[in-house]
Amino acid sequence: DAKTTQPPSMDCAEGRAANLPCNHSTISGNEYVYWYRQIHSQGPQYIIHGLKNNETNEMASLIITEDRKSSTLILPHATLRDTAVYYCIVREYSSASKIIFGSGTRLSIRP
Amino acid sequence: DAEITQSPRHKITETGRQVTLACHQTWNHNNMFWYRQDLGHGLRLIHYSYGVQDTNKGEVSDGYSVSRSNTEDLPLTLESAASSQTSVYFCASSDGNSPLHFGNGTRLTVT
Repeated sequence: DAKTTQPPSMDCAEGRAANLPCNHSTISGNEYVYWYRQIHSQGPQYIIHGLKNNETNEMASLIITEDRKSSTLILPHATLRDTAVYYCIVREYSSASKIIFGSGTRLSIRP
Repeated sequence: DAEITQSPRHKITETGRQVTLACHQTWNHNNMFWYRQDLGHGLRLIHYSYGVQDTNKGEVSDGYSVSRSNTEDLPLTLESAASSQTSVYFCASSDGNSPLHFGNGTRLTVT
């Protein structure tokens, strides 16, 4: 499985868009990019995933570069409840896929 | 609704004792995973299973074992608990490329 690199911490003003980058330069053609977040000490929560096209759901948007070596998670209107650690992972499209987490990005939202 | 539950939520044990943490999912997922998370760090993969009778070692498997006798359960056993195994343990399940579903965690303290 490809590894990912994320900045250890970021902050964003409440109401603004939060843009969280992720580098996955060794991603292979059959690997998807997934984003999760962990609020305080709860179990991680799925946010969004994609292969090569940009994706949007009710929580966030995912922008994947054309060469697929990096991606950006966008929280369009950040709120205090979005304060969490955000994890970017890559995994194969198969049932037999080991899932490894990196250190993530700690996002702080300022009032 | 389908869910994944972990028990106990909190456990205190003594060094050298055998401890088993339970994980039960009703998603009917083939893939199940155990992670540990130490204070201020990301998740590290301990063991994982792709189906009944299948188990695999993860990044930090020493001192831990799992067994998969049915689809719903993947108990994690610490053969002889050590203080270095004090941590929060998360169980997760998935199928194919579906997102991981996490339990709420078990906080284990080894004294």
